[in-house]
Amino acid sequence: GESVGLHLPTLSVQEGDNSIINCAYSNSASDYFIWYKQESGKGPQFIIDIRSNMDKRQGQRVTVLLNKTVKHLSLQIAATQPGDSAVYFCAGSYSGAGSYQLTFGKGTKLSVIP
Amino acid sequence: EPEVTQTPSHQVTQMGQEVILRCVPISNHLYFYWYRQILGQKVEFLVSFYNNEISEKSEIFDDQFSVERPDGSNFTLKIRSTKLEDSAMYFCASSYPAYEQYFGPGTRLTVT
Repeated sequence: GESVGLHLPTLSVQEGDNSIINCAYSNSASDYFIWYKQESGKGPQFIIDIRSNMDKRQGQRVTVLLNKTVKHLSLQIAATQPGDSAVYFCAGSYSGAGSYQLTFGKGTKLSVIP
Repeated sequence: EPEVTQTPSHQVTQMGQEVILRCVPISNHLYFYWYRQILGQKVEFLVSFYNNEISEKSEIFDDQFSVERPDGSNFTLKIRSTKLEDSAMYFCASSYPAYEQYFGPGTRLTVT
């Protein structure tokens, strides 16, 4: 089966700096990835997604990069703000068999230092 | 902005009791999901539901679990005889189409 994991469990960043959160996946057939943000006591909040036919996708202050060769993706947050403090999860899925279940990594806790 | 809602926010039950967790997915979504998150662990897939039937389920989703869409708005997860290890946060999610799953705030289930 697929496993999706994160390189670093915690990340502390100065307010205004850029943040980079990394994620590795094991199933080379994975074709869709999502980054979620989870604040304490809340459900995962959709941030940005990317399909495997893309290398990069940009949103508002966030960019996701996908490197299929090394099965790695990253989430970049520009000008990190205190409100960005949360746990960030990457999740992947493989739709080839009509499956849309997401496999989540453990999460990286981002702490923004004011 | 449309959102997934879940009730109750916290459910305490005794071992062996039945519980029903309720979800109202986003209204135009067609795919529905349940996930759970044991404290300190990652989110795990339980089941997906489409066109009024289960489309996929994980090993966790054994005979003690069932899902139902009793009307046009609710989506429920039933655990027939709860065990201590069922204690977790249960998240409902929905999507249309099958990607971009949006999660509810979760129900914290505590089995004593």
